[in-house]
Amino acid sequence: DSGVTQTPKHLITATGQRVTLRCSPRSGDLSVYWYQQSLDQGLQFLIQYYNGEERAKGNILERFSAQQFPDLHSELNLSSLELGDSALYFCASSPGNLQETQYFGPGTRLLVL
Amino acid sequence: QQQVKQSPQSLIVQKGGISIINCAYENTAFDYFPWYQQFPGKGPALLIAIRPDVSEKKEGRFTISFNKSAKQFSLHIMDSQPGDSATYFCAASGRGSGNTGKLIFGQGTTLQVKP
Repeated sequence: DSGVTQTPKHLITATGQRVTLRCSPRSGDLSVYWYQQSLDQGLQFLIQYYNGEERAKGNILERFSAQQFPDLHSELNLSSLELGDSALYFCASSPGNLQETQYFGPGTRLLVL
Repeated sequence: QQQVKQSPQSLIVQKGGISIINCAYENTAFDYFPWYQQFPGKGPALLIAIRPDVSEKKEGRFTISFNKSAKQFSLHIMDSQPGDSATYFCAASGRGSGNTGKLIFGQGTTLQVKP
């Protein structure tokens, strides 16, 4: 158990809908990262927050947004969902901002029908 | 410049054998190279990591070899066990990814260790 929790574990929704994925980092970790894992794209970095502020952005679509709250939990919002958004979404956390161990949560499996 | 290329895509090894997975990167500004292990239904977990100031790092049966001039690094699993069957990802981070913790992952290698 990494200490990172993600909810929900599974999510089935329809195209055009909006969903919110939630992540609670390990106690004391200030950074939260979001990654998307799909068969064709592998593990892709989406976005990083550090202590409430956006720190780095990757291949995140404009339909996707994220935020980190004062209690350090984070939410990833996916809107206008398309079939191609079906994937595993992982949250990871780390104590600081730079190159160090990232602890991954169990992921949220999103299926868009 | 942001890519990390990993090979092979899949690997089958007999129990007790050596598993070798290779990665290559382009951006010389990367300065942190971790390997992650992922079991089905689980999130990736850090296995071992290296920085470019050393050419090799060993932790138990797992060794990273790093060749800075060739911009390559590899994972060696000695005495491979069926419990090592998983997907392995190499990654890179550092100044080459905006000097943040952002990880650029390879495509992954599915390892099967046969009893």
